[in-house]
Amino acid sequence: QVQLMQSGAEVKEPGASVKVSCKASGYTFTGYYMHWVRQAPGQGLEWMGWINPTTGGTHYAQKFQGRVTMTRDTSLSTGYMELSRLRSDDTAVYYCAKSRTWGEPYYFDSWGQGTLVTVSS
Amino acid sequence: EIVLTQSPATLSLSPGERATLSCRASQSVSSYLAWYQQKPGQAPRLLLYDASSRATGIPARFSGSGSGTDFTLTISSLEPEDFALYYCQHRINWPLTFGGGTRVEIK
Repeated sequence: QVQLMQSGAEVKEPGASVKVSCKASGYTFTGYYMHWVRQAPGQGLEWMGWINPTTGGTHYAQKFQGRVTMTRDTSLSTGYMELSRLRSDDTAVYYCAKSRTWGEPYYFDSWGQGTLVTVSS
Repeated sequence: EIVLTQSPATLSLSPGERATLSCRASQSVSSYLAWYQQKPGQAPRLLLYDASSRATGIPARFSGSGSGTDFTLTISSLEPEDFALYYCQHRINWPLTFGGGTRVEIK
């Protein structure tokens, strides 16, 4: 079965960077886009962007342009999301999610368990 | 960016009742809308996509309708496990956005 296993919780100081990993199993990693979505405490869902695991191509929400970098290692079937210049309002649970359809970056049919990133001095 | 407005914010119903959730888009998203369910401490789960297509393993009591700017998620008869948060999400353009959510709670 499809599984997305994320790295553990992080505590970072303002201004630092964080890198979250997402290891995929149970499907062909290169066939499906990987997205990142975050959720601040008690708040709704916010889409951050996607990476095409085949090409490494990315598309980021404008809000995160210049601060977010999504990469992947196809040999490990793992995606990564790095967010820099962290602020307190970046405190959130960060999810990776798999696109529903082969070769298309739409909708999310499998999700990781989430990684809590806390930004605090 | 497209704003999705969900209503009501909270729906208080009893098991066995019918739930009707609304999602309105600030501009047309054609039929490119999905619904997700989220329970406390869990990741969201895809219920419906393209407005009315059920995702794998989703029970038939969940149905969706609508196109353009107005969409509805209907749960025909609430089961105890259906009390949760529900989000809509469009895919017509970038950025993908979600609605603010509707909480279905036990009355």
